[in-house]
Amino acid sequence: HLQLQESGPGLVKPSETLSLTCTFSGGSISSTNFYWGWIRQPPGKGLEWIGNLYYSGTTYYNPSLKSRVTLSVDTSKNQFSLKLNSVTATDTAIYYCARRPTPGSGFDYWGQGTLVTVSS
Amino acid sequence: QSALTQPPSASGSPGQSVTISCTGTSSDVGAYNYVSWYQQHPGKAPKLIIYEVTQRPSGVPDRFSGSKSGNTASLTVSGLQAEDEADYYCSSFAGSNIVFGTGTKVTVL
Repeated sequence: HLQLQESGPGLVKPSETLSLTCTFSGGSISSTNFYWGWIRQPPGKGLEWIGNLYYSGTTYYNPSLKSRVTLSVDTSKNQFSLKLNSVTATDTAIYYCARRPTPGSGFDYWGQGTLVTVSS
Repeated sequence: QSALTQPPSASGSPGQSVTISCTGTSSDVGAYNYVSWYQQHPGKAPKLIIYEVTQRPSGVPDRFSGSKSGNTASLTVSGLQAEDEADYYCSSFAGSNIVFGTGTKVTVL
C-alpha cells in the first residue's frame, strides 16, 4: 500500500524558511523512475505547482518560486524535502507532496497535506 | 506561466452530464497530450481522475471522460451522482513545468 506523508512545522515566522519533508512508504523512492512533487493550496484557493524532483536529484521548479525553493531527496530515509525561504503571509497554504510516474502524466499518489501558516 | 482558465462553477441534476473546459496556450495544453484532471472533495487531497488527456486510472468510473481540441481540454462527467459534487482542476505539462487550472466547483442539483 503506497503512502506519502508530509511532516514539518505548522507555523513559520515571516522572512524565515519553511521546511517540509515527505516520507514515502510501500516502496523505494529510488527503485523506479518516478518524479516526486510538491503542490500547495492557499486556504479556499486553487492548486499551485511548486516543483518536481527526479529520484536522481534533478529538479524542476515553478518559475515564480524558483529563486526561493530548494527540493532535495534522501534515498536512505525514503524521503524528499522542500525548503522555501523568505516566506511571507502569501505562502500560507496546505502543502501536498505527490508522486508523478512520468513527466507528462498526472500526480497519481498524494499525501494528505499539511497546513503551514506564516505568521509572527 | 499563467494558470489554465476554467469556469468557476458548473452544475447539473443527477443523471445529467456536465462538461468543464480548461483553456491554456500553445505552450501547454496545445503543445502536449499531457493534460490531467483532479477531483477534490472538501478537506481532502486531490484525486487523479484523468491523465494524458483521455486515460482513466484504475478504479475511476467510465462516467469520467476527457478530450482536447487545440488549446482547450475538457472533462465530461456523465450520469452525475451526488458524490461527484466537488472541485475539479485541470493540469498540463508545459515543458519542464506543470501548470494547474483555476478550478471549477461542480454542484449536483
